[in-house]
Amino acid sequence: QVQLQESGPGLVKPSQTLSLTCTVSGGSISSDSYYWSWIRQPAGKGLDWIGRIYPSGTTNYNPSLKSRVTISVDTSKNQFSLKLRSVTAADTAVYYCARGPVRGILTGYYDYWGQGTLVTVSS
Amino acid sequence: EIVLTQSPATLSLSPGERATLSCRASQSISTYLAWYQQKPGQAPRPLIYDASNRATGIPARFSGSGSGTDFTLTISSLEPEDFAVYYCQQRSDWPLTFGGGTKVESK
Repeated sequence: QVQLQESGPGLVKPSQTLSLTCTVSGGSISSDSYYWSWIRQPAGKGLDWIGRIYPSGTTNYNPSLKSRVTISVDTSKNQFSLKLRSVTAADTAVYYCARGPVRGILTGYYDYWGQGTLVTVSS
Repeated sequence: EIVLTQSPATLSLSPGERATLSCRASQSISTYLAWYQQKPGQAPRPLIYDASNRATGIPARFSGSGSGTDFTLTISSLEPEDFAVYYCQQRSDWPLTFGGGTKVESK
């Protein structure tokens, strides 16, 4: 059973960098069958797609965040990470990591998600 | 960016009743739409892929339909565990986008 677990600081000061890591267990992040994404959910609101990374390191980002986001992968640790620079209160949200199949009917969707971690941007 | 609009925002129903949820896309997305269920404090759980295909382990009371811009998730007879928030998501174009959600609450 694949499991994803987010970790990182729950409080970040405005203008600083939000850094989160997603640890994958029960499967290899190096598999070319999947890509790995970050998705966030502000309190009481819907879901916002942040971006994705393939094991090769190829990335796609939401244009609305592209200038501030970096997603990276560490296959040796079976982890991938999110960095969001110059944060403001608007970046306060629950951040989820998720797995998406590369091919087949499920491509473009997400089959496994982490439980989510709340990040608050406040001084 | 493709905008997905879900309606109604809240649906108040009793167990055993039929739930009909709508998701409308701002432009045609063929059948490239998924539905997820989210309960408080939990991650979203995939229900339906490509408009009408049930994910592994999803009960037959959940069904999806639609194409183009109008989609429907139907729960034929609500079970107590079905009261949750439901989101749609499109994969037709980048960036991937989600709807604002429909909360199905117990009347």
